Amino acid sequence: AQSVAQPEDQVNVAEGNPLTVKCTYSVSGNPYLFWYVQYPNRGLQFLLKYITGDNLVKGSYGFEAEFNKSQTSFHLKKPSALVSDSALYFCAVRDMSDYKLSFGAGTTVTVRA
Amino acid sequence: DSGVTQTPKHLITATGQRVTLRCSPRSGDLSVYWYQQSLDQGLQFLIQYYNGEERAKGNILERFSAQQFPDLHSELNLSSLELGDSALYFCASSVEGSGRAGTGELFFGEGSRLTVL
Repeated sequence: AQSVAQPEDQVNVAEGNPLTVKCTYSVSGNPYLFWYVQYPNRGLQFLLKYITGDNLVKGSYGFEAEFNKSQTSFHLKKPSALVSDSALYFCAVRDMSDYKLSFGAGTTVTVRA
Repeated sequence: DSGVTQTPKHLITATGQRVTLRCSPRSGDLSVYWYQQSLDQGLQFLIQYYNGEERAKGNILERFSAQQFPDLHSELNLSSLELGDSALYFCASSVEGSGRAGTGELFFGEGSRLTVL
């Protein structure tokens, strides 16, 4: 079975500082990996994905993620965090048999002014 | 706006009751997925439909059922409701199998918040 783990429940950073949200995965075969963001009382919004190719993936709102096969990680990063980046972030892996996504537990990011 | 529409946005009901949540996928998407988000369980996959047929089943209780209609909208039926069923229920759709290019991301609706009293 495929799964992802987000080891941190919460990440707190100051505005302007780099932001990293960690994710590790477990799959059989090549992984399809995703990051989503959820703002309060809203649905999940797609940020970026890794399918194949360059290990550094760029996405929406200045976010990027680095795929590391040897460490089975797919950490989300932003060079300079904004207060508006405060939200719940989910890492997900795609099941290759039926296309459903399995999500991590989520990481709450708080960016203080 | 993801293009996925869910109704109702909020629903308050009593234990033992039955409710129906509705989802309209993005235009042209054939696959519909239902997820449950609760504080203690996180985001749990319930069930997937593809072009009217059940394709995958996750942690869906026997009291819950779903279907996808010929116009591709989907309904999630929750019966004999318990307090623990209070959660945010999301519907998502994807382009898989529709003939359009895509690489697996799901597009989520805004969710239906169910409160069971």
